[in-house]
Amino acid sequence: GAGVSQTPSNKVTEKGKYVELRCDPISGHTALYWYRQSLGQGPEFLIYFQGTGAADDSGLPNDRFFAVRPEGSVSTLKIQRTERGDSAVYLCASSLETGGNTEAFFGQGTRLTVV
Amino acid sequence: AQSVTQPDIHITVSEGASLELRCNYSYGATPYLFWYVQSPGQGLQLLLKYFSGDTLVQGIKGFEAEFKRSQSSFNLRKPSVHWSDAAEYFCAVGRAGTASKLTFGTGTRLQVTL
Repeated sequence: GAGVSQTPSNKVTEKGKYVELRCDPISGHTALYWYRQSLGQGPEFLIYFQGTGAADDSGLPNDRFFAVRPEGSVSTLKIQRTERGDSAVYLCASSLETGGNTEAFFGQGTRLTVV
Repeated sequence: AQSVTQPDIHITVSEGASLELRCNYSYGATPYLFWYVQSPGQGLQLLLKYFSGDTLVQGIKGFEAEFKRSQSSFNLRKPSVHWSDAAEYFCAVGRAGTASKLTFGTGTRLQVTL
C-alpha cells in the first residue's frame, strides 16, 4: 500500500479481555516498530522487528504484551488481560532500516480504550 | 540512556510571526535527530532530520532546524507561521544502527491565532 496501515482505528474493550492490533507496513520495508502514545505524552518505543524476528523488545511493559511478524510483513501486537492503564494510541512505523540514514513512516494509530 | 526535553508544553503565535520550538537532548554519541508533526487524528509526519554534515537542516513546509552540539539542542524554526501549522510537534533522538528506534520528547502544542 501507499502507507502504513493500522487496524482497527479504534478499539474499545473491557478490562481483562484480550486484544489484537494489526499493522500493515509499507511494502518492502524490512523494519517495523511499535510505539505507544499515552494522552499528553510523546510516543514510547515498545518493540522493533527486523524481518520476522524481534530485534529489540526492551520497551514492552510486561509479559501481557506480545508482538509477532511471522512472514516479515504484517505485524500483530497482542495484549492479554487488558488493564485500564493500557488505554493509549498504539502507533506502528516501518522503515527501510539498513543500519543508517533511514526514515520511519508512521501509521495513524489504533486508539485503544479499556473500560 | 538517551532522552529528549521539550521545555514548552504549549506555544501560541500569531499567523505570520516567526516560530522557534526548543528541543534539548541527552545522548552519549552523535545523535540522529528528528522533528515530527502530529495533527489531530493524524499520524506522525517527519518534518526534517539530522544525521551528519551541515548543522542547519531544511525540512518540509518551510521548517528548518539547527543542530548545536555544544548546547545539546536541535531547535525547530519557521520564519512565518501559517494557521495550518497548528499541531503537536515532537522532537526525537535515535542512534546509529537503529535510527528508527526513537526516544521522543513530550511534545509542544502550537496554537496559531489569526
